Amino acid sequence: GENVEQHPSTLSVQEGDSAVIKCTYSDSASNYFPWYKQELGKRPQLIIDIRSNVGEKKDQRIAVTLNKTAKHFSLHITETQPEDSAVYFCAYRSGSSASKIIFGSGTRLSIRP
Amino acid sequence: DSGVTQTPKHLITATGQRVTLRCSPRSGDLSVYWYQQSLDQGLQFLIQYYNGEERAKGNILERFSAQQFPDLHSELNLSSLELGDSALYFCASSVARGLAAGELFFGEGSRLTVL
Repeated sequence: GENVEQHPSTLSVQEGDSAVIKCTYSDSASNYFPWYKQELGKRPQLIIDIRSNVGEKKDQRIAVTLNKTAKHFSLHITETQPEDSAVYFCAYRSGSSASKIIFGSGTRLSIRP
Repeated sequence: DSGVTQTPKHLITATGQRVTLRCSPRSGDLSVYWYQQSLDQGLQFLIQYYNGEERAKGNILERFSAQQFPDLHSELNLSSLELGDSALYFCASSVARGLAAGELFFGEGSRLTVL
């Protein structure tokens, strides 16, 4: 089915520590996996994405890893800062209908000073 | 500013009524997506259009319908409204569709409150 499980639903980390959010999908034909950040009261914005032909992608303090065999992908944020506090959504493009971008339920990340 | 415009920003109406939400995609984007975000919930995919044609459908209720016009703007029509329809409705656009689709650019959303 078209579903992606995202964990944890809430995450609190000390400023400067790392945060990891994991998602598991079921559609083996999926080949595009974006991550979006939604700050309070604002619209979701893409922060990083990965396609199935690579296993890892980094952009400064943010990295995404993909394990197609296990059907899971993760977001890693290092050296967390107060402005990282937001809700993060994983997503994937459906393999059966490439026009569908399906989102996870979100992770509320809080950075403790 | 994402370049995606949604109107109205806020809408309060009563149960049983009908409303229309409007979305203008970024200049040049042919794909429009609609998502529903209930309080503290994720983004539920409703429907997607490409260059005027419906391309994908999610768990969209029969009371809801949408269309994309020749000028590429899109409208989401919600009828026989129920309390549970209260949510933030996002429109997003992207350049392409299918396997070439990439980043979605979201509008600011239309917050619907049904009383």
